[in-house]
Amino acid sequence: GENVEQHPSTLSVQEGDSAVIKCTYSDSASNYFPWYKQELGKRPQLIIDIRSNVGEKKDQRIAVTLNKTAKHFSLHITETQPEDSAVYFCAAPTGAAGNKLTFGGGTRVLVKP
Amino acid sequence: DGGITQSPKYLFRKEGQNVTLSCEQNLNHDAMYWYRQDPGQGLRLIYYSQIVNDFQKGDIAEGYSVSREKKESFPLTVTSAQKNPTAFYLCASSIVGPTDTQYFGPGTRLTVL
Repeated sequence: GENVEQHPSTLSVQEGDSAVIKCTYSDSASNYFPWYKQELGKRPQLIIDIRSNVGEKKDQRIAVTLNKTAKHFSLHITETQPEDSAVYFCAAPTGAAGNKLTFGGGTRVLVKP
Repeated sequence: DGGITQSPKYLFRKEGQNVTLSCEQNLNHDAMYWYRQDPGQGLRLIYYSQIVNDFQKGDIAEGYSVSREKKESFPLTVTSAQKNPTAFYLCASSIVGPTDTQYFGPGTRLTVL
């Protein structure tokens, strides 16, 4: 079936180190790959997204890379800070004509000071 | 975060009762979505609507029903047929469809007693 796999499920890093989260998708027609951040007790918010016509996109300390051949995309957070501690979700369009968004299982990131 | 609201924040229900969760947006978005979030899991799509008076089942629609009589409103009814209704429910909206940024409401935590 159409699904989005996300790894790891938990990630603990030391402040200042980098964090990488990887997602794989099965629908080769998917062309939009967003990442959402959900802080404890808050609603998910979009932090970055990438479309299939580019391989990488950066926004300050976060970046997303896309490998369409291998059907995977990754979130990179550099120089991690305590406020980066949250649950991160990847997503990709699935279903007929990509008319729904399927989310990965989430990665709980803990940045230790 | 503003523009999309959910009520109530907490809801308690006895087994065998139907309950309706409210979702309202003033963003003039065409598309609206309902997700279920269980502890340690990702967001699973229940129903979505891309236009008034039309909606489609998501991945876990059994035991749920929706209506979209107005553009700004997308209420979700959790029926007695839903076997494990205790969860955190998130509503979201986007301009047109799933490849646009989704804006989430604050969520409703439903507990079945």
